[in-house]
Amino acid sequence: DTGVSQNPRHKITKRGQNVTFRCDPISEHNRLYWYRQTLGQGPEFLTYFQNEAQLEKSRLLSDRFSAERPKGSFSTLEIQRTEQGDSAMYLCASSPTGDVGQPQHFGDGTRLSIL
Amino acid sequence: GNSVTQMEGPVTLSEEAFLTINCTYTATGYPSLFWYVQYPGEGLQLLLKATKADDKGSNKGFEATYRKETTSFHLEKGSVQVSDSAVYFCAQQVSGGSYIPTFGRGTSLIVHP
Repeated sequence: DTGVSQNPRHKITKRGQNVTFRCDPISEHNRLYWYRQTLGQGPEFLTYFQNEAQLEKSRLLSDRFSAERPKGSFSTLEIQRTEQGDSAMYLCASSPTGDVGQPQHFGDGTRLSIL
Repeated sequence: GNSVTQMEGPVTLSEEAFLTINCTYTATGYPSLFWYVQYPGEGLQLLLKATKADDKGSNKGFEATYRKETTSFHLEKGSVQVSDSAVYFCAQQVSGGSYIPTFGRGTSLIVHP
């Protein structure tokens, strides 16, 4: 179990630029989740994959956001035309297919700062 | 809908003090309950969990009991250490396929020597 890996750890970019984050889940985990976390808040759900299928998207996920998990392994989250309000920590988590008692395994996140 | 309410922080304690962080939930189904801990600059780590009423989750001296009658899952530790300083999140997951958790806002714990 090598854990969930996220890259980059930090990203600083100018408003209006596009950014892409990568998440490598624990290898045997079918489920992958993306969250956004702002200071003083808990993680807010963005989207969920089971294998390569994107099964749920939050209404928080505007059309500037897109996520993929092309081969059911790693996933990418892209934000187009970034805005100041996109500054946050973006967390990825994975879990095995199982039951409601399975916890999530989190990566250390990508901190996005928009100048 | 589903929600989790935690006591607001920060909670500031001296080393070896007793800790309680309150957590209550509302759920449309029968949830599993979790406590996660987040250290600065890191993601969340599972601290403990309970999946049915009256279950007690425990880990590293922390405990929480699933109380269905009061819809609560309060976190306790008998003697905190400086290394316990972190943000603690209560969360619930209900069945329905995606198992997307609902998190509380987090409670910051600061332990002084």
